[in-house]
Amino acid sequence: DAKTTQPTSMDCAEGRAANLPCNHSTISGNEYVYWYRQIHSQGPQYIIHGLKNNETNEMASLIITEDRKSSTLILPHATLRDTAVYYCIVRVGLNSGYSTLTFGKGTMLLVSP
Amino acid sequence: AAGVIQSPRHLIKEKRETATLKCYPIPRHDTVYWYQQGPGQDPQFLISFYEKMQSDKGSIPDRFSAQQFSDYHSELNMSSLELGDSALYFCASRIGQVSEKLFFGSGTQLSVL
Repeated sequence: DAKTTQPTSMDCAEGRAANLPCNHSTISGNEYVYWYRQIHSQGPQYIIHGLKNNETNEMASLIITEDRKSSTLILPHATLRDTAVYYCIVRVGLNSGYSTLTFGKGTMLLVSP
Repeated sequence: AAGVIQSPRHLIKEKRETATLKCYPIPRHDTVYWYQQGPGQDPQFLISFYEKMQSDKGSIPDRFSAQQFSDYHSELNMSSLELGDSALYFCASRIGQVSEKLFFGSGTQLSVL
């Protein structure tokens, strides 16, 4: 699986957009970008995933650069409840026959009033 | 909506004792994952099952074993417990071959004294 690099921590003001970057310069053509988050001591929560096109759902937007070497997770209006560790994971699709999802070092996002 | 259920929520054991953690996946989910998260650490993949067969194996110690039953629930059996086994153990489930999303339970906090 491709290696990812994320900032260790980020701050965001409540109500503002939180933009979390992820570098994955060694990504392969068949690898997806997944984002999960973990609020303190809770189970990780799926946010969004994409292959090459930008994606949006009720939680967030995922912007993937054209060369696919980096991506940005956008929380459009951050709330205090969005304070969590955000994990960017790059790997082949889970339905490709490889079932493991590996968590590396994520970004601790702190949303402040 | 139904979520992944783990039991017990908390478990306290002595060194060298055994422990069994249980995971009940979301209905119709046939794939189960186990993760271990030590204090201040990121979740580490232990083992996964698809349709009652082991599908992938991570850093699971030989003292641990797991299985998935006919009703798709899974149990993680841990023997000869060590202090270092103290951690949060998460179970996750998904619909294999269909969905890319993992849904995590709230975890079992195991404390080995």
